[in-house]
Amino acid sequence: KQEVTQIPAALSVPEGENLVLNCSFTDSAIYNLQWFRQDPGKGLTSLLLIQSSQREQTSGRLNASLDKSSGRSTLYIAASQPGDSATYLCASLSSGSARQLTFGSGTQLTVLP
Amino acid sequence: KAGVTQTPRYLIKTRGQQVTLSCSPISGHRSVSWYQQTPGQGLQFLFEYFSETQRNKGNFPGRFSGRQFSNSRSEMNVSTLELGDSALYLCASSPLAGVSYEQYFGPGTRLTVT
Repeated sequence: KQEVTQIPAALSVPEGENLVLNCSFTDSAIYNLQWFRQDPGKGLTSLLLIQSSQREQTSGRLNASLDKSSGRSTLYIAASQPGDSATYLCASLSSGSARQLTFGSGTQLTVLP
Repeated sequence: KAGVTQTPRYLIKTRGQQVTLSCSPISGHRSVSWYQQTPGQGLQFLFEYFSETQRNKGNFPGRFSGRQFSNSRSEMNVSTLELGDSALYLCASSPLAGVSYEQYFGPGTRLTVT
């Protein structure tokens, strides 16, 4: 059974800092890994999706990497802004017949102005 | 292109009642998945429907059920509500027509059971 862990659970940084959020998973047989953002009381916004054959994806100030062999993914946020404050979740999509997302518990990010 | 829509957005029910939640996927998406989010358990997979057939089911009791219609819209039903069913219920759609399998989430339905 896939288990996804995110560290740290919470992070507070001053505006302008670069930061890294970590995600680890136990079963490397994944189809893809997706990073989401969730604002309080809201749904999930997809940020980046990395296919299992890819090593990284970039979108604006965000860069996500994937290392299947070590069961790790990182989300790098450059030049953080107060508007980046949210909970960030990673989720792996299983590659077997049961295609379901397994989520980590999230990292709550606060960017201080 | 309109996103995933869920109705209602908020719902208050009493223990023992039943509830039906609705999800309309992005146009052209044929897969709909449902997730439950609670502070204690986080996000957990409920089930996935594709072409009106349930393909996968998470580890939830039989009180949780769902269905998908020919237009890909989906409903989930929870019978005999318990206090622990209070949660944010999220629906996600995916094209499955390519190889992306990217999941697009709706805003959720906040269910409160009293």
